Amino acid sequence: GAVVSQHPSWVICKSGTSVKIECRSLDFQATTMFWYRQFPKQSLMLMATSNEGSKATYEQGVEKDKFLINHASLTLSTLTVTSAHPEDSSFYICSRRKIDDSSYNSPLHFGNGTRLTVT
Amino acid sequence: GESVGLHLPTLSVQEGDNSIINCAYSNSASDYFIWYKQESGKGPQFIIDIRSNMDKRQGQRVTVLLNKTVKHLSLQIAATQPGDSAVYFCAENPFGNEKLTFGTGTRLTIIP
Repeated sequence: GAVVSQHPSWVICKSGTSVKIECRSLDFQATTMFWYRQFPKQSLMLMATSNEGSKATYEQGVEKDKFLINHASLTLSTLTVTSAHPEDSSFYICSRRKIDDSSYNSPLHFGNGTRLTVT
Repeated sequence: GESVGLHLPTLSVQEGDNSIINCAYSNSASDYFIWYKQESGKGPQFIIDIRSNMDKRQGQRVTVLLNKTVKHLSLQIAATQPGDSAVYFCAENPFGNEKLTFGTGTRLTIIP
């Protein structure tokens, strides 16, 4: 069964508003979660690494003030797209490792994504 | 580096035939590789993985081959079924790095 639950699965919002996306780890406590973005017919691009109890680590070119990440508990990470614009329309997907190990030799398990459309 | 593509490579295969999807990776420090399947509107689904100390690994109907010399990875799907139609991504993980980098992806279409 699913180990990562993402909500909502889709959202439509008006330009200038903010949208919050939730990502829950269902079967164990995850200290680290990853947020990816995927534009149509493109690959997944890592946006940021969400760390429980500390600030997220953002990839180059990703605005931390626009994409607010909060890893408030060991089972929940949230991504808030602030002041959304049409160019932020995309498929946002969260993930965590199968096991929380330090070798990183375990696959990421992904949520089913959130389709954001900004009008 | 990260892979970005405006057009996904496509592969069409007759149902029942075998398919091979290829992937070239760029980072010689990568020591862990994964193949994912992504259906429309869904998140990627883990298929199979391989570590750099291996050159072949088999699962149910799938085989991953790793050639570190030329930095090439392939996914073989045997006896394809309509449900295999999806976009397939390879992903690489450099040693000691928690981040997973995805390749461009290949759209596989199984023809009934």
